[in-house]
Amino acid sequence: AQSVTQLDSQVPVFEEAPVELRCNYSSSVSVYLFWYVQYPNQGLQLLLKYLSGSTLVKGINGFEAEFNKSQTSFHLRKPSVHISDTAEYFCASVTSGSRLTFGEGTQLTVNP
Amino acid sequence: EAQVTQNPRYLITVTGKKLTVTCSQNMNHEYMSWYRQDPGLGLRQIYYSMNVEVTDKGDVPEGYKVSRKEKRNFPLILESPSPNQTSLYFCASSLKGDYGYTFGSGTRLTVV
Repeated sequence: AQSVTQLDSQVPVFEEAPVELRCNYSSSVSVYLFWYVQYPNQGLQLLLKYLSGSTLVKGINGFEAEFNKSQTSFHLRKPSVHISDTAEYFCASVTSGSRLTFGEGTQLTVNP
Repeated sequence: EAQVTQNPRYLITVTGKKLTVTCSQNMNHEYMSWYRQDPGLGLRQIYYSMNVEVTDKGDVPEGYKVSRKEKRNFPLILESPSPNQTSLYFCASSLKGDYGYTFGSGTRLTVV
């Protein structure tokens, strides 16, 4: 069963616009949540993670995410995107033990 | 530099010819995992390891083997590759309890 669900497969935006990439998680799983980014022809890079504590998590490259327990969501946001943010973004969760499972991915395309 | 190193980066092989993809990390991480990435299917876990001599199946283990004889190495073995194992493979590692996995650059495998 899927532990996290990314609600949008593709998100096109214009440069300098704000963006939100949506992720819902299964409430039955542990609440360790992550966002990764994959640039073309590269591996995955950790953007940010939520293990506990403050529900607003700040990551690299100006991204942040908010853990919302009541809505079982962990949406990724950036107030102003750049062309270089064009990439695929993956939401992920840790389930049993150390198992990291991924959502289907969201392709963010930033247009000039 | 802290990293996960996979070799080779690219490999074309024939059906049935045994191959090994190596993975090594220099961060003294306990957890290591193998994933495959396929268009439309996202990232799926093949095997994972929580420490030396401790391995377990992920979501798609059929046709693969792993071993964890040393902490730093986690090779992926395809005893008899088939065309449906053509994919992009990633190795990743993490500190116990941290779960912020570091990914290798990937191995693009083609089985003809």
